[in-house]
Amino acid sequence: EVQLLESGGGLVQPGGSLRLSCAASGFIFSNYAMSWFRRAPGTGLEWVSAITPSGDKTYYIDSVRGRFTIARDNSKNTLYLVINSLRAEDTAEYYCARERWNSAKSGHFDYWGQGLPVTVSS
Amino acid sequence: QSVLTQPPSVSGAPGQSVIISCTGSSSNIGAGYDVHWYQQVPGTAPKLLISENINRPSGVPDRFSGSKSGTSASLAITGLQAEDEADYYCQSFGGGWVFGGGTKLTVL
Repeated sequence: EVQLLESGGGLVQPGGSLRLSCAASGFIFSNYAMSWFRRAPGTGLEWVSAITPSGDKTYYIDSVRGRFTIARDNSKNTLYLVINSLRAEDTAEYYCARERWNSAKSGHFDYWGQGLPVTVSS
Repeated sequence: QSVLTQPPSVSGAPGQSVIISCTGSSSNIGAGYDVHWYQQVPGTAPKLLISENINRPSGVPDRFSGSKSGTSASLAITGLQAEDEADYYCQSFGGGWVFGGGTKLTVL
């Protein structure tokens, strides 16, 4: 059974840092690209960052580039998101998700973590 | 502003049917990229509901169906149940991941 188990969220002051983790099981982690999403209160789902299966390429939305770092350790089957210089607008529920491509035109996300609350407040 | 356009909300009584639209452009849906749908019940993680325009993952009731035509797609839900009350998102690709802003389904 595919499982994505997140950890590391919490309350942090503005300007602070957090490291989110997503432990994968039930599939060959190193075969899949992975992404992080977030959903801020009162808003919709937002893709934040992605990483290729080997970790050689990373992608970010503009609003987090330079502050967020996505990484993975395939030997530990774990995905990470390091969040620096946190702002109030980063307050959200964060989700990791497995990327799936059944064809060149069919990219989507077939499994999701349970969600991790991140609250930025003084 | 989301790249894909969805209605902010839809509603229906139990047993009725609703359709949620998702409009894109020639850069994403119209370029031949598939459309996928996710359901997010409040307080829970998103769940893949429809993949590749029409496919239901195992465990998704056949009350949910998807379609795609041109630069748009639709999610149809028949026989509405209280448990269907959730936010629904469409997703495609086009130079990057593109999502709709989400549609809140209220079961009256």
